[in-house]
Amino acid sequence: GQNIDQPTEMTATEGAIVQINCTYQTSGFNGLFWYQQHAGEAPTFLSYNVLDGLEEKGRFSSFLSRSKGYSYLLLKELQMKDSASYLCAVSDYSGYSTLTFGKGTMLLVSP
Amino acid sequence: DAGVIQSPRHEVTEMGQEVTLRCKPISGHDYLFWYRQTMMRGLELLIYFNNNVPIDDSGMPEDRFSAKMPNASFSTLKIQPSEPRDSAVYFCASSPGTGTDTDTQYFGPGTRLTVL
Repeated sequence: GQNIDQPTEMTATEGAIVQINCTYQTSGFNGLFWYQQHAGEAPTFLSYNVLDGLEEKGRFSSFLSRSKGYSYLLLKELQMKDSASYLCAVSDYSGYSTLTFGKGTMLLVSP
Repeated sequence: DAGVIQSPRHEVTEMGQEVTLRCKPISGHDYLFWYRQTMMRGLELLIYFNNNVPIDDSGMPEDRFSAKMPNASFSTLKIQPSEPRDSAVYFCASSPGTGTDTDTQYFGPGTRLTVL
């Protein structure tokens, strides 16, 4: 089975940096995903980590430590449009590439 | 690329009625997933298909729910009879199953279901 934990809510100011943490416990592991979901919309893919380390993609970076069961999503130069829910999801090959999602972290960016 | 297409976008029905949700995955994707999202439970996997074959339906809440994938470009999720507790947003997603982004899932816009 899977257990994924992430904070429920976070707030930050426009232009700042915010780090959203995710911890997981899995019976198998084949990668960790981050998705962004704006209110009333579908989740959209942000990043994928399967090896330890930092993956950078523009203003967004994602980090993975498999030994610690830990990941974070780092958002730089925050913009108002970054206000959304951020979902951490783990791929578990015991279930044929299915993803188990955390409940998401609601990020509110204020001016 | 049209992305994953779902219909209807909104559905309001009365308790006891049959509801059918539809999904067209991204062309060439081997996997199709049905999820349900609520505030309380988050995003839950209901069932998924590989090459049109149902692989795991352990997430389907009960016998009132059924899903089919008659061909590679179409799937349905049916609720019969519907109940108020089925009110949620239902997402369909697809993934390639091969290649560099083999496990990345791409979501449709969702169907917001309200059962009165």
